[in-house]
Amino acid sequence: QSALTQPPSASGSPGQSVTISCTGTSSDVGGYIYVSWYQQHPGKAPKLMIYEVTKRPSGVPDRFSGSKSGNTASLTVSGLQPEDEADYYCSSYAGANNVVFGGGTKLTVL
Amino acid sequence: EVQLLESGGGLVQPGGSLRLSCAASGFTFSSYAMAWVRQAPGKGLEWVSVIGGSAGGTYFADSVKGRFTISRDNSKNTLYLQVNSLRAEDTAVYYCAKTRNVILWFDGMDVWGRGTTVTVSS
Repeated sequence: QSALTQPPSASGSPGQSVTISCTGTSSDVGGYIYVSWYQQHPGKAPKLMIYEVTKRPSGVPDRFSGSKSGNTASLTVSGLQPEDEADYYCSSYAGANNVVFGGGTKLTVL
Repeated sequence: EVQLLESGGGLVQPGGSLRLSCAASGFTFSSYAMAWVRQAPGKGLEWVSVIGGSAGGTYFADSVKGRFTISRDNSKNTLYLQVNSLRAEDTAVYYCAKTRNVILWFDGMDVWGRGTTVTVSS
């Protein structure tokens, strides 16, 4: 159950777009559509932002979008806003009733 | 309002045990698989365990297999995690989470509690 690989940090100015990558293997990210992304503000519980690679739960702004190519999933935040500053985690089904998370990316809005 | 509220955390010595609870409200608890996810201080999220809705099939991360037990009481809308043989590396905030999909438990977790802190130290 190796963690998925995410960059430790990412940043962008208000109004810009930023993309966070999440790299796994053919046994997790590359093998299933069950990739999710979570946003976590300091001291708060995680919040589901994307599921099934590209789908947004009700209430999540359409500035947040997801995609996948091969073993790498990505989260793009367009039109960055100050409240988007948070930690972001990807997760994927890894088969055999296991779920694996990425190490997290701290997004800074400059 | 959909809500999850964890309790039962605390300071425990290595080798000790705790029973964590998660009280659910605002949704049909028995219909959904429920999960525990933990976060060590300053670290990322780690999936710990999940239990099915009514049938109650259970699964665990390798790091806790054989030491942790997950259970639920659908009559009380409550999820439990019995944590035994605790180690320093089990120190974390433990979150309970509702799975999004009534059929596929691994298809995202859409409601999270605020967490309960477990500290393992002598």
